[in-house]
Amino acid sequence: EVQLVESGGGLVQPGGSLRLSCAVSGFTFSSYWVHWVRQAPGKGLVWVSCINSDGSSTNYADSVKGRFTISRDNAKNTVYLQMNSLRAEDTAVYYCVRDYTVWGQGTLVTVSS
Amino acid sequence: QPVLTQSSSASASLGSSVKLTCTLSSGHSNYIIAWHQQQPGKAPRFLMKLEGSGSYDKGSGVPDRFSGSRSGADRYLTISNLQFEDEADYYCETWDSTSRVFGGGTKLTVL
Repeated sequence: EVQLVESGGGLVQPGGSLRLSCAVSGFTFSSYWVHWVRQAPGKGLVWVSCINSDGSSTNYADSVKGRFTISRDNAKNTVYLQMNSLRAEDTAVYYCVRDYTVWGQGTLVTVSS
Repeated sequence: QPVLTQSSSASASLGSSVKLTCTLSSGHSNYIIAWHQQQPGKAPRFLMKLEGSGSYDKGSGVPDRFSGSRSGADRYLTISNLQFEDEADYYCETWDSTSRVFGGGTKLTVL
């Protein structure tokens, strides 16, 4: 079964940092792009970042550029999202997504003092 | 970068059909899109990829009641024989070489 499982969310103060992880199973991880998509409470889906299959290419939404860093470890079948300088508006459920076809269950990030 | 426009809400009766629309911005009318369903309190689920030609490929386990089509810059998701479990938010998504974008979503109510 194809699975993506996010972890690492939680409550953090403004200006703080968190690292999200997305552990995958059930498919050849090293063959796929992976994306992070977030959803603020009661709002729609917003693309955040992506990384190509071997980690050599990354892209970011303007709203997180310079603050978030996406990476992957193909030996561990895991994608990471390092989030620094967090703001209240970063509060959301963060989903990792294989291509556009398989979604994880999400992890909640709350930025508040 | 393409922009996707969706109506904020739609409603239809149990057992009937509904057609949801996603409109691509000018200059992007041939883009491929994906449709996703998000039931209340759950993660989104991929429904189908809809090509610029109008052909579509559904995700695993998506019922035959779901189909896709296009007309110009409009992309449609049709759900026939509506069930209560179809009550959900529906998002379209597209992408270019560097980013992805979602429509604002349509909240479907089954009456």
